[in-house]
Amino acid sequence: QKEVEQNSGPLSVPEGAIASLNCTYSDRGSQSFFWYRQYSGKSPELIMFIYSNGDKEDGRFTAQLNKASQYVSLLIRDSQPSDSATYLCAVNIRPNFGNEKLTFGTGTRLTIIP
Amino acid sequence: DAGVTQSPTHLIKTRGQQVTLRCSPKSGHDTVSWYQQALGQGPQFIFQYYEEEERQRGNFPDRFSGHQFPNYSSELNVNALLLGDSALYLCASSVAGNEQYFGPGTRLTVT
Repeated sequence: QKEVEQNSGPLSVPEGAIASLNCTYSDRGSQSFFWYRQYSGKSPELIMFIYSNGDKEDGRFTAQLNKASQYVSLLIRDSQPSDSATYLCAVNIRPNFGNEKLTFGTGTRLTIIP
Repeated sequence: DAGVTQSPTHLIKTRGQQVTLRCSPKSGHDTVSWYQQALGQGPQFIFQYYEEEERQRGNFPDRFSGHQFPNYSSELNVNALLLGDSALYLCASSVAGNEQYFGPGTRLTVT
């Protein structure tokens, strides 16, 4: 079982709709969760992070965390063509001072259809 | 406020050669992590530096080594390059393990 799993996609969503991206992780002790957006040929850009169960909203983005079910999701409201990218889920499995490596999923490719 | 910078942008090397990649962290950040990203994959953790010491290491051979300088900048060195080392090398900076921000990366091609 992979430590962090994502559906590789591609996920196609009409412009203006809600895009829903999911990620599951294997280590129940994981504490910190991150979503990165990566455009083709570019480096990952941090767009959301969440540490506590529940929802966290930032503009059109909402991150959702359910530690009991070991999944984290990203919702993108009012999807725009500029949201077309690969979205990487990253988990800090055992965060403490001196142990801060991120484990990434393989990413979900999202395409917004105009 | 300058973000994370990396140099060079692109690099082409021959098998067996050695390469050095450089990273300057975001202003105010003291921790530098290095990742390797192969095409179609997520970044893989190589190692992390804090206070000029390697604090944590991923599953990479000893051919991969690094250094952090007093100004928090960092270098990644790879010896005896293999074709499989061709990848995007990413540097990320953070403050004591909080959110990590990536630089633009160095695209290494080994021929």
